[in-house]
Amino acid sequence: QVQLVESGGGVVQPGRSLRLSCAASGFTFSTYALHWVRQAPGKGLEWVAVISYDGSNKFHTDSVKGRFTISRDNSKSTLYLQMNSLRAEDTAVYYCATKSRPDHDAFDIWGQGTMVTVSS
Amino acid sequence: DIQMTQSPSSLSASVGDRVTITCRASQRISNYLAWYQQKPGKVPKLLIYAASTLQSGVPSRFSGSGSGTDFTLTISSLQPEDVATYYCQKYNSAPFTFGGGTKVEIK
Repeated sequence: QVQLVESGGGVVQPGRSLRLSCAASGFTFSTYALHWVRQAPGKGLEWVAVISYDGSNKFHTDSVKGRFTISRDNSKSTLYLQMNSLRAEDTAVYYCATKSRPDHDAFDIWGQGTMVTVSS
Repeated sequence: DIQMTQSPSSLSASVGDRVTITCRASQRISNYLAWYQQKPGKVPKLLIYAASTLQSGVPSRFSGSGSGTDFTLTISSLQPEDVATYYCQKYNSAPFTFGGGTKVEIK
């Protein structure tokens, strides 16, 4: 069964750091790129970052550049998001997402999400 | 960066109505366009990719069309279980921007 399970969310003070993890199972983790997508309470989906299948290429959305870093460990089938200098506006549910087949790059696999609350 | 603009932001329709949601890209993206459905409190679900290809298991009342900059998601006969927010997304290259969403309700 194809599955992504996020963890690491919680309540953190502004300016502090947090690392999210996304553990994969049921598919060949090292085959495809992986993404982080977030959703602030009551708001729409916001794409955050992508990492290539082998970790050699990464891209972050402008609002998190220089603060967040996406990474992966293919030996552990795990995706990470290191979040530094957190701000109140980073409060959101964070999802990891990927695709399950080679004929398109849309996100047909999503985790259940992990909530990050940035508050003093 | 390419912007994705959806309209309307919300709509209310009767069961059985035909519903159309539009998505416009600020630059051409060929057919690298996906549609997602997110029900309240749930994880987004892929409905359509490549602008018009129905994801496996998605009811045939959903369809997509368009290419270039203008795209459409159509629900041919709205059902109560279709109450959700729908998002378009470009996936030709980073950033993989989502549209702002269209909330669909039953009248």
